[in-house]
Amino acid sequence: DPKIIQKPKYLVAVTGSEKILICEQYLGHNAMYWYRQSAKKPLEFMFSYSYQKLMDNQTASSRFQPQSSKKNHLDLQITALKPDDSATYFCASSQDWGVSYEQYFGPGTRLTVL
Amino acid sequence: GDSVTQTEGLVTLTEGLPVMLNCTYQSTYSPFLFWYVQHLNEAPKLLLKSFTDNKRPEHQGFHATLHKSSSSFHLQKSSAQLSDSALYYCALRATGGNNKLTFGQGTVLSVIP
Repeated sequence: DPKIIQKPKYLVAVTGSEKILICEQYLGHNAMYWYRQSAKKPLEFMFSYSYQKLMDNQTASSRFQPQSSKKNHLDLQITALKPDDSATYFCASSQDWGVSYEQYFGPGTRLTVL
Repeated sequence: GDSVTQTEGLVTLTEGLPVMLNCTYQSTYSPFLFWYVQHLNEAPKLLLKSFTDNKRPEHQGFHATLHKSSSSFHLQKSSAQLSDSALYYCALRATGGNNKLTFGQGTVLSVIP
């Protein structure tokens, strides 16, 4: 059974709209992350959370807002979508906060903005 | 800031030949180094990790030695297999930093018969 669930797998949106990407992990982990992978850039860190608290935000735009309603959930709301937001968004988690803990990645949500 | 530089682009090898993918890094703090492998349409998966200088972790026939003196963590395998074809990322996490993974640009390894 998949331990990190991301929904939907594929998402098509129009410019200017808003979408929410869902991430749930069933590994019992306390830290969660969002990364983005686009055609132009390698895997790029976006956010990190530990015990539902925002630890770091490396996105330049406030259009990207993570939301953690439960310890094992970290959704990503994206508003005012632009074609440049087209990418695969990966959720990840680790047992705890700390550099020695391995980060496990979910299967990703591929977002296409038209 | 932290950065990772990998062998650029596409590496094409004939099955059975040795694999070497280069990775060098810059970091203010003493980092953990990782190799992740991503097969087509799948999630990145951890292949190797290291923190200790001159230690050589191995997994699935792959190995990499962290050399802090040269800031390198090259990935090697003695004999490439068709199933090794994938995108490989070298990444670091800095001990004094914010726990994020900083990835290199990725190297596509294509193994042909």
